[in-house]
Amino acid sequence: SQQGEEDPQALSIQEGENATMNCSYKTSINNLQWYRQNSGRGLVHLILIRSNEREKHSGRLRVTLDTSKKSSSLLITASRAADTASYFCATESNAGGTSYGKLTFGQGTILTVHP
Amino acid sequence: DAGITQSPRHKVTETGTPVTLRCHQTENHRYMYWYRQDPGHGLRLIHYSYGVKDTDKGEVSDGYSVSRSKTEDFLLTLESATSSQTSVYFCAIRRTGATGELFFGEGSRLTVL
Repeated sequence: SQQGEEDPQALSIQEGENATMNCSYKTSINNLQWYRQNSGRGLVHLILIRSNEREKHSGRLRVTLDTSKKSSSLLITASRAADTASYFCATESNAGGTSYGKLTFGQGTILTVHP
Repeated sequence: DAGITQSPRHKVTETGTPVTLRCHQTENHRYMYWYRQDPGHGLRLIHYSYGVKDTDKGEVSDGYSVSRSKTEDFLLTLESATSSQTSVYFCAIRRTGATGELFFGEGSRLTVL
């Protein structure tokens, strides 16, 4: 079963616009992370937010976390064509003892930014 | 670059044959993971390791085994490959002392005919 569910599945925008992706999860967590994957490549970590944090920024990225709703959002501001990629949320659960750092991934959002 | 190398990067094999994928890291981190990525499923954890000879099952471990006889290598074996194991396989590490992010290899694309 997927811990994270993301929406939208696909998002198409113009350069300069903002892109927002959402993630929902099911169990209690230690942290939630966002990753980026360019076509044919491995995943690259973007940002991590701990369960006791509500918002975090990194460059043009803004992540929010609402543990009461078990949801997160990733905002990319002033998007560029180079932001075109798949974006995944991932959660580290704190249910059931030691996590060993295991992450459960959502199905991802495909972002296309048109020049 | 987290010093992760996966091999082979591409492989085509036939149903019923054994296949071993190798993940090699150069930084001697304790935690290593094997995920598979399929359309519509995102990434799913197959097996993970928390030290030499310490491994455990993930979400989709049926049909797979792993071994870790030394820190730097984590092997994933398909004892008898099936078409349902056609996928892209990713190895990942968690850096010691890091806050929890994983670093991924470039993937191994396996096709089982």
